[in-house]
Amino acid sequence: DTAVSQTPKYLVTQMGNDKSIKCEQNLGHDTMYWYKQDSKKFLKIMFSYNNKELIINETVPNRFSPKSPDKAHLNLHINSLELGDSAVYFCASSQAAGDTIYFGEGSWLTVV
Amino acid sequence: GNSVTQMEGPVTLSEEAFLTINCTYTATGYPSLFWYVQYPGEGLQLLLKATKADDKGSNKGFEATYRKETTSFHLEKGSVQVSDSAVYFCALSDRGNNDMRFGAGTRLTVKP
Repeated sequence: DTAVSQTPKYLVTQMGNDKSIKCEQNLGHDTMYWYKQDSKKFLKIMFSYNNKELIINETVPNRFSPKSPDKAHLNLHINSLELGDSAVYFCASSQAAGDTIYFGEGSWLTVV
Repeated sequence: GNSVTQMEGPVTLSEEAFLTINCTYTATGYPSLFWYVQYPGEGLQLLLKATKADDKGSNKGFEATYRKETTSFHLEKGSVQVSDSAVYFCALSDRGNNDMRFGAGTRLTVKP
């Protein structure tokens, strides 16, 4: 049973399109995250949600919008995709702030 | 603010060699420290962690000791295997803070 699952795993799309990545965790955690990993493996936090409330937004363009229908789900919607958005996006969760973070397997986004 | 600095890679070793990946941190409080591992095409997995000074985290033959006096959390393994080839991330998290900070990652390649 996958703890943090995200779909799709691979996504190839054209510039200007809108796309969503879905994430679900079955760990009963209170906090969920989205991270972006670039081609050099550098990880940057994008969003953090705690009980459906946004806690962190690290200077991410407003084309990116997280949506959390309940505490087990945190979806990422991206408008007007740009070439520079090509990256691997990781969903993650933790029981509480400062605790171990559990990652999904990643969604490889390629914008052409 | 909090930050993590880890040694630049890539690191290439022969099987059964000794591994050290250096990690130092800057933090205002009393953080927890982590090592995560990312195998090719996968998400990050927790390798080990330590939550207070002088704690030693260990798993799968890897170990790291939380050194407050040198603000370090170096990863070591006495005898690496080909299957240890991966990218290793040092990370820091403050209790009560949703913002886990990751180092830049160190790519390890172990040759037979």
